[in-house]
Amino acid sequence: QVQLVESGGGLVKPGGSLRLSCVASGFTFSDYYMSWIRQAPGKGLEWVSYISSSSSYTNYADSVKGRFTISRDNAKNSLYLQMNSLRAEDTAVYYCARVIAAGGDDYWGQGTLVTVSS
Amino acid sequence: EIVLTQSPGTLSLSPGERATLSCRASQSVDSTYLAWYQQKPGQAPRLLIYGASSRATGIPDRFSGSGSGTDFTLTISRLEPEDFAVYYCQQYGSSPRTFGQGTKVEIK
Repeated sequence: QVQLVESGGGLVKPGGSLRLSCVASGFTFSDYYMSWIRQAPGKGLEWVSYISSSSSYTNYADSVKGRFTISRDNAKNSLYLQMNSLRAEDTAVYYCARVIAAGGDDYWGQGTLVTVSS
Repeated sequence: EIVLTQSPGTLSLSPGERATLSCRASQSVDSTYLAWYQQKPGQAPRLLIYGASSRATGIPDRFSGSGSGTDFTLTISRLEPEDFAVYYCQQYGSSPRTFGQGTKVEIK
C-alpha cells in the first residue's frame, strides 16, 4: 500500500533552517510528481511546491520562493524540502503528497510540524 | 494568482440530508483542473474529486463534482456520519496552485 512518511520537523528560531524529508513506499516513486503542502495551526491548506518525476521541473509558492528548495532522490524513494530564512509565518504542519497524472494529490503523509519561534 | 472562494463557510445539516458546497474562482480554471478534498480533525486531507467531476479511487458515489470555468460544486447526496468534516477545493490548472478557504460540514 502507498505510504508517505515525513520527518525533520521541529522548533527553530526565526532566520534558521530546517530540512524536511519524506520517504515513499508502495509505488514507483520515480513515476510521480510530488508536492509539499502546509497547514498553519487552525488554518486552511497552502500549496508550497512541487517537483517533476525526474527533478527537471520545480515550482514554488511566492511566499517561499527563494527561501525553500524542493528536491528528490529517486534511488532512495525520498522527497526533501530545504527551508532557509524561516519566519514565524512558516509555522505549520508540512505534508508531502503524491501528484496524480490527472492532477490533484491522491496520497498524503501524516505531516510533520514545523514551529518557528524565538 | 487564482483565488478560490468557498461558500458557505459552515453548513449545518443532519445525516441523510443533501449537501451542496460551492467553489468560485476569480478567473477561469483551465481544463477543469479542479479537485476537492475532505479533511477530518487530526488527519491529512483525502482526495475526493479531480478534474472537476472524476471520483478518486475508493470514493463512494454519494460524492459528485460538477462545474466548469469559474463555478464548481461538490454534492454529497446523502450525508453519512463520517462525512462531517472540512472540505477544500483546489485548482491546479495555473501556477501557483491554490486552495479555497474551506467549508465545514457540521451536524445540525
